[in-house]
Amino acid sequence: AAGVIQSPRHLIKEKRETATLKCYPIPRHDTVYWYQQGPGQDPQFLISFYEKMQSDKGSIPDRFSAQQFSDYHSELNMSSLELGDSALYFCASSLRHSEQFFGPGTRLTVL
Amino acid sequence: GESVGLHLPTLSVQEGDNSIINCAYSNSASDYFIWYKQESGKGPQFIIDIRSNMDKRQGQRVTVLLNKTVKHLSLQIAATQPGDSAVYFCAENKGDDKIIFGKGTRLHILP
Repeated sequence: AAGVIQSPRHLIKEKRETATLKCYPIPRHDTVYWYQQGPGQDPQFLISFYEKMQSDKGSIPDRFSAQQFSDYHSELNMSSLELGDSALYFCASSLRHSEQFFGPGTRLTVL
Repeated sequence: GESVGLHLPTLSVQEGDNSIINCAYSNSASDYFIWYKQESGKGPQFIIDIRSNMDKRQGQRVTVLLNKTVKHLSLQIAATQPGDSAVYFCAENKGDDKIIFGKGTRLHILP
């Protein structure tokens, strides 16, 4: 069965650079979620979108923005990267109010 | 603040024995809990969920127990296998589809 696709899987950036993470949800899923998981930490909810509209917002820094496109894929844009942004970034998708399926994650390393 | 949490960071279990992973929550209004399994380098994987109108739910080799009186839930894994080695998170779906993860418990399987 098709799963959530995230790209890239690994990304290395310098401080103050920008990064764009992409998420391709499971076909027909209309809701996308982004989570950040620091080393040894639990995943933290960042933001979610339903039908291309932002539906909820968590502990997402102002330096980050995200959107969901007409084909339901989503992008997380991160600017002025800091060392503390180094983490695993997971995207999950679902049908509205249904089980969330997580992607394999993008490992971002900021040097 | 965090509304779910786990009692132990690491649990070691003999292969073939049963594993019990515990979780406490603080909000008595919480009504939907999910257990996730996260293997190294992968995203969280749904194991089983339970709503507050139930006190027990069984899946394949897994059972979740919910005690609303003491705000405690547990995940029981029967006949633990090497493939069960992972970090296990209890989490709460707060009704708006935002998942709040607790601190994980790393399950080690001893040969």
